[in-house]
Amino acid sequence: DVKVTQSSRYLVKRTGEKVFLECVQDMDHENMFWYRQDPGLGLRLIYFSYDVKMKEKGDIPEGYSVSREKKERFSLILESASTNQTSMYLCASSLGGHTDTQYFGPGTRLTVL
Amino acid sequence: AQSVTQPDIHITVSEGASLELRCNYSYGATPYLFWYVQSPGQGLQLLLKYFSGDTLVQGIKGFEAEFKRSQSSFNLRKPSVHWSDAAEYFCAVGPNTGNQFYFGTGTSLTVIP
Repeated sequence: DVKVTQSSRYLVKRTGEKVFLECVQDMDHENMFWYRQDPGLGLRLIYFSYDVKMKEKGDIPEGYSVSREKKERFSLILESASTNQTSMYLCASSLGGHTDTQYFGPGTRLTVL
Repeated sequence: AQSVTQPDIHITVSEGASLELRCNYSYGATPYLFWYVQSPGQGLQLLLKYFSGDTLVQGIKGFEAEFKRSQSSFNLRKPSVHWSDAAEYFCAVGPNTGNQFYFGTGTSLTVIP
């Protein structure tokens, strides 16, 4: 079974802090994704990566950056957290290609005070 | 631009009743279509997907979906709902090029005894 793990289930940070969200997959998948999930808005893609050190912006990249130094790990970075970044963050991975199933982690609920 | 619409924000059904969740997409070519389920506190799990061929697709947990090109729809159905089906359901579309998925805003399902 594919396993996607996220470093924290719940996280509370203060405005202006730098925040790191970590995601690890154990199935040698090429693609990794970061989404945020908000009520009434569904899932929105922040960034995705199709290879080590490669990244593409999604629909809402502002205020975020990502890092993929190893194939299995994809980090989402909030350089200076703001209250409007309070959300559920979901990481996903897929083997490769647009038709492949995305496998999701359990999510990190981030609260920025 | 691709988009996915789930017109029903919330649906309540009785246990044992049939279920249909609606999904409409906007895309120029034949899309790749997916249904995911998110149980409380969990990540998203793939229920089924459609790429080509038979327009009636069978998935896990007794779900099925039918692709109707003329209506740009991919509705999810289950003949008899179980209490454990209470969850949030997301329809998604993936293009035939590129890696980006587009998710609908989700439909929350409540099952009453």
